[in-house]
Amino acid sequence: ETGVTQTPRHLVMGMTNKKSLKCEQHLGHNAMYWYKQSAKKPLELMFVYNFKEQTENNSVPSRFSPECPNSSHLFLHLHTLQPEDSALYLCASSQESAGELFFGEGSRLTVL
Amino acid sequence: EDQVTQSPEALRLQEGESSSLNCSYTVSGLRGLFWYRQDPGKGPEFLFTLYSAGEEKEKERLKATLTKKESFLHITAPKPEDSATYLCAVQADPWDDKIIFGKGTRLHILP
Repeated sequence: ETGVTQTPRHLVMGMTNKKSLKCEQHLGHNAMYWYKQSAKKPLELMFVYNFKEQTENNSVPSRFSPECPNSSHLFLHLHTLQPEDSALYLCASSQESAGELFFGEGSRLTVL
Repeated sequence: EDQVTQSPEALRLQEGESSSLNCSYTVSGLRGLFWYRQDPGKGPEFLFTLYSAGEEKEKERLKATLTKKESFLHITAPKPEDSATYLCAVQADPWDDKIIFGKGTRLHILP
């Protein structure tokens, strides 16, 4: 495996479900990010982890809960989501929060 | 407030017809400006980093330039495989982990 891998690629969930998105990077980077991409909107930064410590939480609702157990893995735990949370969730990594981000292919989330 | 604006929103060109995409930014202090390419259903792919006004970077048919207020992505003699959404992003503060993206320009090259 190379680069940044995200699973699942597609997820459909009801508003009362609990699910998790997983991201793994094989690049030796120490910063990891979650971004949300919605139609007609710019990429929205959600969370940043630098050396496993959360350094940014961009006013994200508490129904999104990140977890970074080590520099290679990042999770986004989802619960009681709203239909407007349907979007493409992108994970990225970089070396020491440099701007050259390496993205995964994203997890397409649909909330019914 | 830090802001990134890209224009045009969409651009259709004939194969071989050169053009430029614009990215204007408003930040307190620029640490770096970045260009990415995103194909449908995929994550963005890093293209260039520019750090200071006057800097230029090239890759195949793409050339990125930077001034104090904006950046241009010049596309010379494009081919259909250059069709994609091109995203501009800035990192504003030396100690800030935020990377702010524009909405992108959807480029379509007609054969």
